[in-house]
Amino acid sequence: EAEVAQSPRYKITEKSQAVAFWCDPISGHATLYWYRQILGQGPELLVQFQDESVVDDSQLPKDRFSAERLKGVDSTLKIQPAELGDSAMYLCASSSPAGGTEQYFGPGTRLTVT
Amino acid sequence: QQQVKQSPQSLIVQKGGISIINCAYENTAFDYFPWYQQFPGKGPALLIAIRPDVSEKKEGRFTISFNKSAKQFSLHIMDSQPGDSATYFCAASKPSGYALNFGKGTSLLVTP
Repeated sequence: EAEVAQSPRYKITEKSQAVAFWCDPISGHATLYWYRQILGQGPELLVQFQDESVVDDSQLPKDRFSAERLKGVDSTLKIQPAELGDSAMYLCASSSPAGGTEQYFGPGTRLTVT
Repeated sequence: QQQVKQSPQSLIVQKGGISIINCAYENTAFDYFPWYQQFPGKGPALLIAIRPDVSEKKEGRFTISFNKSAKQFSLHIMDSQPGDSATYFCAASKPSGYALNFGKGTSLLVTP
């Protein structure tokens, strides 16, 4: 069964350092989402891509976060500099036009900022 | 603001019992309502979903009930099992690929 891949699974970084997360969506899925999930809460959208274009980044803290999906396949989310409040699970999800609205999530990257 | 409100925050059910989780939304543009199951340290897994043209959808032990006029929907887990112990999230989205708006989650514990 096709899955969304994410790496690393866990990341510990010091405050003010840079950190990057990678996501490989299900093959053929044109839409890719990055969500952030704070412990004990539901995921919240950071950025949405349709192919290589950003569709929605209204909730992305652009002073420190950036995201790209250069070839419309895999994607990278970067934080620079990391802050203590960035500690969370970062989830990638993908969906395809043919599949409608169903979104499939990867295992996530657990970020701890010390 | 929270676009989808979920209750209860936590739920304890005995094995074999029925687990019921409720959600409410305000945005009438929402037309897709999925439920996700999440185990600790894992990503959310799609469990079951419904669109507002039907009032109920059943898949195995899981049933979604949908009340369009009340803008509410709920998940029923019949014959709950210890393996169902997880956090459940309801969500809602607008048509065609919009991002999901999640509830805050319900932590379900099914006791033996």
